[in-house]
Amino acid sequence: AQTVTQSQPEMSVQEAETVTLSCTYDTSESDYYLFWYKQPPSRQMILVIRQEAYKQQNATENRFSVNFQKAAKSFSLKISDSQLGDAAMYFCAYRRETSGSRLTFGEGTQLTVNP
Amino acid sequence: EAQVTQNPRYLITVTGKKLTVTCSQNMNHEYMSWYRQDPGLGLRQIYYSMNVEVTDKGDVPEGYKVSRKEKRNFPLILESPSPNQTSLYFCASRAWGPNEKLFFGSGTQLSVL
Repeated sequence: AQTVTQSQPEMSVQEAETVTLSCTYDTSESDYYLFWYKQPPSRQMILVIRQEAYKQQNATENRFSVNFQKAAKSFSLKISDSQLGDAAMYFCAYRRETSGSRLTFGEGTQLTVNP
Repeated sequence: EAQVTQNPRYLITVTGKKLTVTCSQNMNHEYMSWYRQDPGLGLRQIYYSMNVEVTDKGDVPEGYKVSRKEKRNFPLILESPSPNQTSLYFCASRAWGPNEKLFFGSGTQLSVL
């Protein structure tokens, strides 16, 4: 069974600084997707970034980028120029590359942004 | 607007009183699923459905039922709720295909006293 682990329950960063959230996963599959979701206090689940395992290039979305290390099964999220609106719970998630497969989530990391 | 609609957003009930949380999507998605979110555990899948009349268990199905009589609706039923089902629940849907994005509802906070 696939597992996703986020070893940092809480992180904090100063506004305008950079922070990295860690995620590791375990799978025997070679084709899969990895995701980072943001959950602000509104509870809404917002997709931040997605990585296909077959792509060697790390995904980026504006201030958000990932460091995908397939051999190490590591998928960290870097937030640059942190803003107050980045404060949220962040979830790492994994999904196999089949149509019916589900998302497997990590435990979450609560990010605080200090002004 | 493409969306997944869950109701209610908040629900307080007592042990043993049957309840239903509704979920509806307007995107003609084949795949729908229910998750529960608990502190320190992330989100875990309860049930999922790959099409009308096709449902299957996820990781934590005990104490829950679902049905998929219509493509757009996927209600979650708790026939005899217990306090350990106090949680934040999310419905989600996506089109068929491995490359499709998952759309989440806005969540239902359930408290069972």
